[in-house]
Amino acid sequence: GDSVTQMEGPVTLSEEAFLTINCTYTATGYPSLFWYVQYPGEGLQLLLKATKADDKGSNKGFEATYRKETTSFHLEKGSVQVSDSAVYFCAKGSGGGADGLTFGKGTHLIIQP
Amino acid sequence: DAGVIQSPRHEVTEMGQEVTLRCKPISGHDYLFWYRQTMMRGLELLIYFNNNVPIDDSGMPEDRFSAKMPNASFSTLKIQPSEPRDSAVYFCASSLGQAPFRQYFGPGTRLTVL
Repeated sequence: GDSVTQMEGPVTLSEEAFLTINCTYTATGYPSLFWYVQYPGEGLQLLLKATKADDKGSNKGFEATYRKETTSFHLEKGSVQVSDSAVYFCAKGSGGGADGLTFGKGTHLIIQP
Repeated sequence: DAGVIQSPRHEVTEMGQEVTLRCKPISGHDYLFWYRQTMMRGLELLIYFNNNVPIDDSGMPEDRFSAKMPNASFSTLKIQPSEPRDSAVYFCASSLGQAPFRQYFGPGTRLTVL
């Protein structure tokens, strides 16, 4: 069935380091793709999204590009901060209609000062 | 807006007891989703509603789980009887039809079944 696979964590980086969190998906068609972030003790929040191939979603310095050739949607940030420490979830929706999202298992990111 | 509201935030119960989790979606949203989060399985969609009608409950693990949405501002997820393997964080999320994939999550209910 359709799935979302993202790199296992935890990922530990120093402040100002470059971040990449890999995400790949399997699906029929071209689903919308999302990154959600979960801060400790809170629910998930939408970080960014892309709805078609080659779209780039961006927010708060984070970016991800929808690559249909490699079925990927990797999350990147040029210079991370301690406040970016959280769990990041890659997710996909369907091409039409409103159904629930399929999430990856999440990647715990730890940024050390 | 107050966002999605869930109650209780924490629930500890004993095996065999009935558990009811509650959710108030964002006013005006017409979709409501229930998710379960565990370390082993990650975040799983259990069921979702559109205009108070259940659309897809294929993620509900078994008959012990049931969900209702009696009106646009309230939904419940019930587990009866509860088992230790039901221990998880349960999230409710809502969204607006025009932007179905921007889901707004509540803070979750952490359920522990002893």
